[in-house]
Amino acid sequence: GAGVSQSPSNKVTEKGKDVELRCDPISGHTALYWYRQSLGQGLEFLIYFQGNSAPDKSGLPSDRFSAERTGGSVSTLTIQRTQQEDSAVYLCASSRTGAKNQPQHFGDGTRLSIL
Amino acid sequence: LAKTTQPISMDSYEGQEVNITCSHNNIATNDYITWYQQFPSQGPRFIIQGYKTKVTNEVASLFIPADRKSSTLSLPRVSLSDTAVYYCLVGPGVGSGAGSYQLTFGKGTKLSVIP
Repeated sequence: GAGVSQSPSNKVTEKGKDVELRCDPISGHTALYWYRQSLGQGLEFLIYFQGNSAPDKSGLPSDRFSAERTGGSVSTLTIQRTQQEDSAVYLCASSRTGAKNQPQHFGDGTRLSIL
Repeated sequence: LAKTTQPISMDSYEGQEVNITCSHNNIATNDYITWYQQFPSQGPRFIIQGYKTKVTNEVASLFIPADRKSSTLSLPRVSLSDTAVYYCLVGPGVGSGAGSYQLTFGKGTKLSVIP
């Protein structure tokens, strides 16, 4: 079946611009996660959705970052007034339920470059 | 959150068995241990998960001693295509309270398989 799909795969933008990153989870997966991976670093948790609600937003690095999920499916991560330190690969994952022992299935990410 | 420690890198020849050990001294009672594999420019891929003793699937085996303070991922007869970064994760279980939805990925172990 189809896996997690993310778009765009690459995004280059100027400092100060807003960007939107999209994630289509596996159909039927109720839990959705956003992570960030900077060059040479491990994955950094950003936010978790259960359905359309975000019980845990504690990983969002600043108020320039926001995310929403509609219809229990597609999610959008928005970064306002981008800064160079926002450059990273943004990964989305979904799991069948929100139980912590549920394996997470990842997309291939959006590589964001801020000039 | 339980912190994990794993070797930064490992080298192995094709056809050998590879064992990657992860330390997680402060693992909590309801934490699961999960391993992911990541190739360049791709999202992490779930390999195996366990709680205690031994788990085996078609890809790998996971050995967890009785004290659960460490775990070992065993890859039988590696090939060049197993060259990747391997991440050990320790995550809280369902109902662990605030912050229980965060998963922490470290820097992983870069496995290089040599012909």
